Amino acid sequence: GQQLNQSPQSMFIQEGEDVSMNCTSSSIFNTWLWYKQDPGEGPVLLIALYKAGELTSNGRLTAQFGITRKDSFLNISASIPSDVGIYFCAGQNDKIIFGKGTRLHILP
Amino acid sequence: GAVVSQHPSRVICKSGTSVKIECRSLDFQATTMFWYRQFPKKSLMLMATSNEGSKATYEQGVEKDKFLINHASLTLSTLTVTSAHPEDSSFYICSARDVWQGRGETQYFGPGTRLLVL
Repeated sequence: GQQLNQSPQSMFIQEGEDVSMNCTSSSIFNTWLWYKQDPGEGPVLLIALYKAGELTSNGRLTAQFGITRKDSFLNISASIPSDVGIYFCAGQNDKIIFGKGTRLHILP
Repeated sequence: GAVVSQHPSRVICKSGTSVKIECRSLDFQATTMFWYRQFPKKSLMLMATSNEGSKATYEQGVEKDKFLINHASLTLSTLTVTSAHPEDSSFYICSARDVWQGRGETQYFGPGTRLLVL
């Protein structure tokens, strides 16, 4: 079946640092999505990408839909404590397939 | 924005009992809803696609007789875990697809239901 490879699995950074994470797939997706999940809650959509090569920003977040439609990255600039959580990439054709997540920790 | 609710938010039950989880789209109609399962520190795994007025489509390896899905209206889908066992303990999350009002095929996720089977 379709699988997404998301990296890194976890990150430990200092507050104020920039963060980058990415996702690759052996399959082509029509849409790439990035979600954040806080403990005990459902995932919340951060950014949706609909066209190959598309670069989209949402505040301090920037994501790009790879030109091959098989990859995407998410950047977070100037991290703050509330950025802590798990970030999931997801590819969507008919169904949404999730990556394994990147757990972001911010060191005091 | 579109809101999806789940009820209950958490449930504890004895082994062998059945548990029903509701997923509602509060301000839009959803002809399609999805049910996911998430184990601790793991990703969301799609269990089944729930289609209003027809049978659900289950992913490979998901027992349809174990996880009964009913999508009787455009705003409600239910997942019933039958004869629950401790290994069914998990975080169950639904999502609803809104295809109206120019939202394309955006899926909105519920807050999840934590099931603990003793």
